[in-house]
Amino acid sequence: DTEVTQTPKHLVMGMTNKKSLKCEQHMGHRAMYWYKQKAKKPPELMFVYSYEKLSINESVPSRFSPECPNSSLLNLHLHALQPEDSALYLCASSQVGRGSGNTIYFGEGSWLTVV
Amino acid sequence: GIQVEQSPPDLILQEGANSTLRCNFSDSVNNLQWFHQNPWGQLINLFYIPSGTKQNGRLSATTVATERYSLLYISSSQTTDSGVYFCAVEEIGGATNKLIFGTGTLLAVQP
Repeated sequence: DTEVTQTPKHLVMGMTNKKSLKCEQHMGHRAMYWYKQKAKKPPELMFVYSYEKLSINESVPSRFSPECPNSSLLNLHLHALQPEDSALYLCASSQVGRGSGNTIYFGEGSWLTVV
Repeated sequence: GIQVEQSPPDLILQEGANSTLRCNFSDSVNNLQWFHQNPWGQLINLFYIPSGTKQNGRLSATTVATERYSLLYISSSQTTDSGVYFCAVEEIGGATNKLIFGTGTLLAVQP
């Protein structure tokens, strides 16, 4: 069983809708991630939060807005998305920093379809 | 940025066969992990292996950091091993916690 929980598992939204993806972990990790994965492609890093502060933004369009309300929660707010944004969105967590023991754990993902 | 290439891109095996998957990376790394993604999208961490060799049941992995490659061995494959295998790396000198995924190997194990 994954220790990173994502909701919803499936989401269909229109291009004018506002929705949010949610992620929760209780492993005491202080780094949390959003990845985007298109079909038959590897996951692509979108955002990293370290100690609840945004540390990496991989030039993601502003229609994706991350939020880290506390050390256990990570949200991705979605607004005015395009059909090409349809993908699997993966949340993950790990310890902050480099080197030993920095194993990353993924949630089951949220399948997003934009119509 | 660092480039991470995996080979082969696709692999079909009969149940019981052995296989070797390769991950090449273009720059020095201080973090390398292997993952298995099942058909439902779940990514499972198999190994944290920036260097050396580890074994876990029928799976083992070896990373030769000085030569910038890692190998994942699957022995006595089972149908449940099917899915996509990714390696992911963190580049020395790059941003902390920036884990970049390789191109992946799609494995199909047939009964």
